Amino acid sequence: SQQGEEDPQALSIQEGENATMNCSYKTSINNLQWYRQNSGRGLVHLILIRSNEREKHSGRLRVTLDTSKKSSSLLITASRAADTASYFCATSRRTTDSWGKFQFGAGTQVVVTP
Amino acid sequence: DVKVTQSSRYLVKRTGEKVFLECVQDMDHENMFWYRQDPGLGLRLIYFSYDVKMKEKGDIPEGYSVSREKKERFSLILESASTNQTSMYLCASSPWAGVSYSGANVLTFGAGSRLTVL
Repeated sequence: SQQGEEDPQALSIQEGENATMNCSYKTSINNLQWYRQNSGRGLVHLILIRSNEREKHSGRLRVTLDTSKKSSSLLITASRAADTASYFCATSRRTTDSWGKFQFGAGTQVVVTP
Repeated sequence: DVKVTQSSRYLVKRTGEKVFLECVQDMDHENMFWYRQDPGLGLRLIYFSYDVKMKEKGDIPEGYSVSREKKERFSLILESASTNQTSMYLCASSPWAGVSYSGANVLTFGAGSRLTVL
């Protein structure tokens, strides 16, 4: 089963607008990451937020994490056509071993029109 | 600047054929992963490896096997390809997170291999 579930599944906005997408998860986590995927390509890491952090910024990206609600949001401000992509959240949780398994959601497809 | 390289971007195979998907990383990462990606299902973990010759099943290992003889190379094998294995296959690697897990490992992905089984 998918640990992370993104909402909405698809988002269409115009350049200059902000894009917000959400991720919900089910179990306790060590950290939550957001990745971006351009059509037909691999995923690229955008930002990581640890379980003891509430908010993080990177350029035009803002990520929040609410561990009590088991949810995260990704905000892209002043969107550009080049932001058109699918966005995935991935969660990582502590296991008895030192490595972490990642669980991905189904993604939010964002289309930014000029 | 490519760090995770998947040998084939597109493959077309016939049902019953043996298929090898190769993945090489040049970052000296301990962990390597194989995911498959299908529309509406996101990424699902097939197998991962945290050391040479070590492997662990992911969420959907049936019909697949893996090999990691060298640290930089992780191969996915479909012993007898079937049409329901038509998918995008993504390889990724990450460094070891550490015993305390105080560090956080980030995945670096390859460009993907789109496999069609006829």
